[in-house]
Amino acid sequence: GAVVSQHPSRVICKSGTSVKIECRSLDFQATTMFWYRQFPKKSLMLMATSNEGSKATYEQGVEKDKFLINHASLTLSTLTVTSAHPEDSSFYICSAGAGTPPYNEQFFGPGTRLTVL
Amino acid sequence: AQKITQTQPGMFVQEKEAVTLDCTYDTSDPSYGLFWYKQPSSGEMIFLIYQGSYDQQNATEGRYSLNFQKARKSANLVISASQLGDSAMYFCAMREESGYALNFGKGTSLLVTP
Repeated sequence: GAVVSQHPSRVICKSGTSVKIECRSLDFQATTMFWYRQFPKKSLMLMATSNEGSKATYEQGVEKDKFLINHASLTLSTLTVTSAHPEDSSFYICSAGAGTPPYNEQFFGPGTRLTVL
Repeated sequence: AQKITQTQPGMFVQEKEAVTLDCTYDTSDPSYGLFWYKQPSSGEMIFLIYQGSYDQQNATEGRYSLNFQKARKSANLVISASQLGDSAMYFCAMREESGYALNFGKGTSLLVTP
């Protein structure tokens, strides 16, 4: 199957700093990427849908200014957690649709575990 | 309203036995897709199987099969001949015609015992 990478896999930062997470589709072009957040022993919650070359669509309750998403190319989307606080600590996972919409397969990155001290 | 319901928070199965993980869904879209993912303790989401709403036959992928009952709006995952490595969280998800993103259930934790 298609491969999606995420970097970094784990990050620890101080409160108030910003953290950037990269999501790359390695062997296919992804016009649409998705960002999810997962709390321990909980389900994945969609944060936003990222379309190449346009603004991301955020889910209700997700702060746009807090979680900046950029999808500058067909293989790269980034999520920046600005002025991170301990409550932002979570597991962040991206996914990319493979093939033609509406994507009968979605491939997930390995996730990024963010810990804010 | 919850669109995907997984009523089994935890399941046990003995090695080599079959196990069924339940999933019911709620949608008014005529076209939708149903997915199952496995999430081991490492956190990665592993795609297992997909069923389209118009597919006539139940999807199968190796030891995984999807028992799709459209009228009941259920999409249960059947794992045959369980292996110790099958121990993980399992998530059912749905993509509706109106969107590309996946709505996930709360997951079922499966433990395979020797």
